[in-house]
Amino acid sequence: AQKVTQAQTEISVVEKEDVTLDCVYETRDTTYYLFWYKQPPSGELVFLIRRNSFDEQNEISGRYSWNFQKSTSSFNFTITASQVVDSAVYFCALSEGGNQFYFGTGTSLTVIP
Amino acid sequence: DVKVTQSSRYLVKRTGEKVFLECVQDMDHENMFWYRQDPGLGLRLIYFSYDVKMKEKGDIPEGYSVSREKKERFSLILESASTNQTSMYLCASSLYTLGGNYEQYFGPGTRLTVT
Repeated sequence: AQKVTQAQTEISVVEKEDVTLDCVYETRDTTYYLFWYKQPPSGELVFLIRRNSFDEQNEISGRYSWNFQKSTSSFNFTITASQVVDSAVYFCALSEGGNQFYFGTGTSLTVIP
Repeated sequence: DVKVTQSSRYLVKRTGEKVFLECVQDMDHENMFWYRQDPGLGLRLIYFSYDVKMKEKGDIPEGYSVSREKKERFSLILESASTNQTSMYLCASSLYTLGGNYEQYFGPGTRLTVT
């Protein structure tokens, strides 16, 4: 079974629209870590955020915000006022007690000028 | 800045060849990983290593082996390349402490084509 599900395969928005990327995870551990990565067309994955399971506070960084809800096992990512440079594939990932990381299949975001 | 470098961006090999993909990180990270990325399948873990000479199989280790003789270097070996190993290969490293797993830093990837 998938430990991390990103149900949205592709999303297109017009520049300046807000967009939310969904991430649902599955774990039985009480201690775990969640991550978001961005993979622009150049190919290199870039780390965006790390969140541990004990910290449910939402986080905002500029136009980016993350909503972590343990009750629904979700860690969603919102881009406000999207820009063309936000066009990329975004991956959500989960790490439990060991050294492994589990990635979702990614959401491809296209921002149309 | 963490730097993870991979020996080649693009590689073309023939079926049956032995292929070496090299990865080097400069941040003294304990953990290193090899993934392959295919359209629609996301990142799939091939092997990871949590210390020198230590390795563990990931989800798809068949047809691959790894070597970690030095902390900063993690090599992926395709003993006899096959066409179904045509893919993008990504190396990553991460810090591990008792506080848990920290984020992974990725290299630029190697796009391998086996003909």
